[in-house]
Amino acid sequence: DTAVSQTPKYLVTQMGNDKSIKCEQNLGHDTMYWYKQDSKKFLKIMFSYNNKELIINETVPNRFSPKSPDKAHLNLHINSLELGDSAVYFCASSQAGDYGYTFGSGTRLTVV
Amino acid sequence: AQSVTQLGSHVSVSEGALVLLRCNYSSSVPPYLFWYVQYPNQGLQLLLKYTSAATLVKGINGFEAEFKKSETSFHLTKPSAHMSDAAEYFCAVSQRAGAQKLVFGQGTRLTINP
Repeated sequence: DTAVSQTPKYLVTQMGNDKSIKCEQNLGHDTMYWYKQDSKKFLKIMFSYNNKELIINETVPNRFSPKSPDKAHLNLHINSLELGDSAVYFCASSQAGDYGYTFGSGTRLTVV
Repeated sequence: AQSVTQLGSHVSVSEGALVLLRCNYSSSVPPYLFWYVQYPNQGLQLLLKYTSAATLVKGINGFEAEFKKSETSFHLTKPSAHMSDAAEYFCAVSQRAGAQKLVFGQGTRLTINP
C-alpha cells in the first residue's frame, strides 16, 4: 500500500483552466502539506493542514485553494492556471512527535 | 527565519570514493535538520535526521551526517559511493516537530562516475 498517494501523476492543461490534485495518506498522520518544486528543483511549502485546520499558508496566489475533508486527505484546487504554475507539486504528511515528512511521488503539472 | 545553503549544486565522484555533500543552516533557535534524497521522477525519501540527540547521525544506505553547532553545518557523507547513489540530495531545517515547516536547501545533484 502506498503511504502517501497523489493523483494524477501527470497533468497537462491549457492556460485559464481549473484543475485539482488529490492526495491521500494511510499512515494515520495528523498533518499534511503541499510543496511546490520548480524547474530548478527548489522546494517551497505552500500549505499545511493539521486535523483539517489550515495552519500554514505561505504567500501563494488566491488561485490556489487547499481543501481537507478529513485528516487523511488534502486536495489542491487551482483556478485560472498560468504558465508559471508549471511545476511538480508534492503532498506530504507527518505526525506530531515524529520528525520528518513522508512524501508522495509528486504531480507534474504542465500548463501550455 | 530559517534557511539552508547547500554548497555545490552538482557534485561528481568516482564509484568507491568518498561522498561529501555540504549543508550549512541558519536558525535563531536550536534546529532540527534533515537530509532527503530524490531519485528521478520520484518523491523525496528521508535519509536521516538530527533531532538534538547524538550529533553523529546514521541513516539509510550507508549515509551519515554530523551536526556541528559551532560551524552551523550538517554535512552528509558516505565512505564509498555506489552507482545507485546518483540522485538529488536536499538538506532541510525546521524549528519544531509535528506540524513543522521544513525549509529546504536548493539541492545537490550527485553523479557517480564508473
